[in-house]
Amino acid sequence: QVQLQESGPGLVKPSQTLSLTCTVSGGSISSGGYYWSWIRQHPGKGLEWIGYIYYSGSTYYNPSLKSRIIISVDTSKNQFSLKLSSVTAADTAVYYCARVNVISWGSVFFDPWGQGTLVTVSS
Amino acid sequence: QSVLTQTPSVSGAPGQRVTISCTGSSSNIGAGYDVHWYQQLPGTAPKLLLYGNTNRPSGVPDRFSGSKSGTSASLAITGLQAEDEADYFCQSYDTSLSGDVVFGGGTKLTVL
Repeated sequence: QVQLQESGPGLVKPSQTLSLTCTVSGGSISSGGYYWSWIRQHPGKGLEWIGYIYYSGSTYYNPSLKSRIIISVDTSKNQFSLKLSSVTAADTAVYYCARVNVISWGSVFFDPWGQGTLVTVSS
Repeated sequence: QSVLTQTPSVSGAPGQRVTISCTGSSSNIGAGYDVHWYQQLPGTAPKLLLYGNTNRPSGVPDRFSGSKSGTSASLAITGLQAEDEADYFCQSYDTSLSGDVVFGGGTKLTVL
């Protein structure tokens, strides 16, 4: 079955760019049919959708983060990535990658999820 | 402040039935968009529990069920077990400026 694994630095300095990669195994991103997403969870808080991407490169971003995020895909490596610029302490969170399942327009859910990676923003 | 509102905590004794509510608005649940539910055990990633309001993925016990009416949805857990102690999140789609995908703030279920 499909598995996802996040990787990247666990500590980022304020004002710098957070960069994470999600490696997909057990299935090909380029086979289509699914979007691929980033979601984050602030410590002790709820979940916040960041955005998702299709293998073709089409992206959908959370409006509240849109000006600072870029999600890209590398089908040759079966990976997709997140870049979040100008980070502050408010961006400290566990970042998850997940596969997006589409039932119909307006009905999408996330399954499976990666294990998550904690990113701390601090000098 | 989450777009979907959930009661922060609920509790129940083993064997009992509990419900977790998820309240939205006319731009998400009330607009007819599906609600999906996730279970997050302590220290782990969220796991899909229900999709499309009422559907259970393979492996999820039929003790878990979902419903939706108007601007709200509910997750019911019957025959409560100690292993059900977790955080539960609802998720839907939204057409306002909140973004395509919105989550509830989560409900902490404590099994007494």
